[in-house]
Amino acid sequence: KAGVTQTPRYLIKTRGQQVTLSCSPISGHRSVSWYQQTPGQGLQFLFEYFSETQRNKGNFPGRFSGRQFSNSRSEMNVSTLELGDSALYLCASSLAGIYGYTFGSGTRLTVV
Amino acid sequence: GIQVEQSPPDLILQEGANSTLRCNFSDSVNNLQWFHQNPWGQLINLFYIPSGTKQNGRLSATTVATERYSLLYISSSQTTDSGVYFCAVEPSGGYQKVTFGTGTKLQVIP
Repeated sequence: KAGVTQTPRYLIKTRGQQVTLSCSPISGHRSVSWYQQTPGQGLQFLFEYFSETQRNKGNFPGRFSGRQFSNSRSEMNVSTLELGDSALYLCASSLAGIYGYTFGSGTRLTVV
Repeated sequence: GIQVEQSPPDLILQEGANSTLRCNFSDSVNNLQWFHQNPWGQLINLFYIPSGTKQNGRLSATTVATERYSLLYISSSQTTDSGVYFCAVEPSGGYQKVTFGTGTKLQVIP
């Protein structure tokens, strides 16, 4: 079966711009979660979507938003980018909760 | 929120050595999973282990939920075991967000 697909793999943006990242989950998985990984902060939970509804949200500013479509694909958006937003953004899909958690390869975002 | 601490933070092993990685969590959990992040950043599932013991080849894991810890054992380590090991927990009580531990960075040298 196809894995979790994240696009793009790499991205360079300028401060103040906005960015949209995409995550296509494993077929049949209805839960998609997003994480930010930085060297100093480890893996930080951004949000989780289940059947198009945001079920949980981490402690990130409102500049970080997301959505999930009826086919379970998810997007996250970061507006007004800051240098500190440079990170590896990972998404994980699962049937429910942490069981069967499968991660994509991530999108490495660099803000200059 | 729940706190998840892993120890040791860093570990250097000679190829062939054994090691034990620990994950402590501060509250009751419904689920726990171990992951390995390879040097290219890919996170791979190792074990889904909310309680009990599981083994997969040279790796095994034990979770004692009542005492709020989990252990990951790596035997006869190989250079391909290098990377960062994370535990992640799903706290008890409805739809709780998954929390990752601080990670153990393992380097296996030939």
